[in-house]
Amino acid sequence: DVKVTQSSRYLVKRTGEKVFLECVQDMDHENMFWYRQDPGLGLRLIYFSYDVKMKEKGDIPEGYSVSREKKERFSLILESASTNQTSMYLCASSLRYEGPSQPQHFGDGTRLSIL
Amino acid sequence: AQRVTQPEKLLSVFKGAPVELKCNYSYSGSPELFWYVQYSRQRLQLLLRHISRESIKGFTADLNKGETSFHLKKPFAQEEDSAMYYCALSAFNKFYFGSGTKLNVKP
Repeated sequence: DVKVTQSSRYLVKRTGEKVFLECVQDMDHENMFWYRQDPGLGLRLIYFSYDVKMKEKGDIPEGYSVSREKKERFSLILESASTNQTSMYLCASSLRYEGPSQPQHFGDGTRLSIL
Repeated sequence: AQRVTQPEKLLSVFKGAPVELKCNYSYSGSPELFWYVQYSRQRLQLLLRHISRESIKGFTADLNKGETSFHLKKPFAQEEDSAMYYCALSAFNKFYFGSGTKLNVKP
C-alpha cells in the first residue's frame, strides 16, 4: 500500500517566517504534487514535480517554492509566510505512465496556521 | 482550459434514499475522470475512475461525453457514506479538482 507521509499534522508559524513542509512517499512514484485545500475552493495545485530536480508551477504558485532533491521527497517552502497562506496543505504522489493517468495517493495533510 | 464543476456544496439525503452527486467538466481532449472521497479525519482517497467502469461501495459513475458529465450515483445511501466528495479530471499527469460536495446522510 502506498504511503505518503507529511512531516506535521499541525503547524503554527508567524508572519514573515520561512516555513518548510515535507512530504515523503515510499512507492518510487515519479510524480509528486502539493495542493492547498480550502472550503468552497476544493484542491488547488501549487506545484508539481515529475522527476528529481524538475518542477512545474501549478495554478497558485505565488509565495511558494519547492524542492525535489530525491525521488521520494518533495518539500514545499513558504518564503515569507503571510496570513492568507493559512490553510490545509496536501501532498500527493502518482506513478508516471504513458497510458491512462494513474490515481494520486494523498498524505494526511498539514494544517498550517500563520499568525 | 480544463475545468471541473461541482454545483452542489452540500447534499443532504435520508438513509436509503438515492443519491446523485453532480460533476461537469470542460476539456478539449479525451477526458480521464475520477471521484475521490474524504471521510471525517481521514485522508483523501480514490473512490473510482471512469476507465474501470466498476462499482465501489455501491457507487457508480458514467462518463457522458455529450453532456460533459461524470455524475456519481448510489441507489440507497448509507450513513457511512457521509463524507466530502471531489470530482477530478486528469490531463498530462496533472489533476484538476472540483470544489467538492459534502454529502450528509441522515438516519
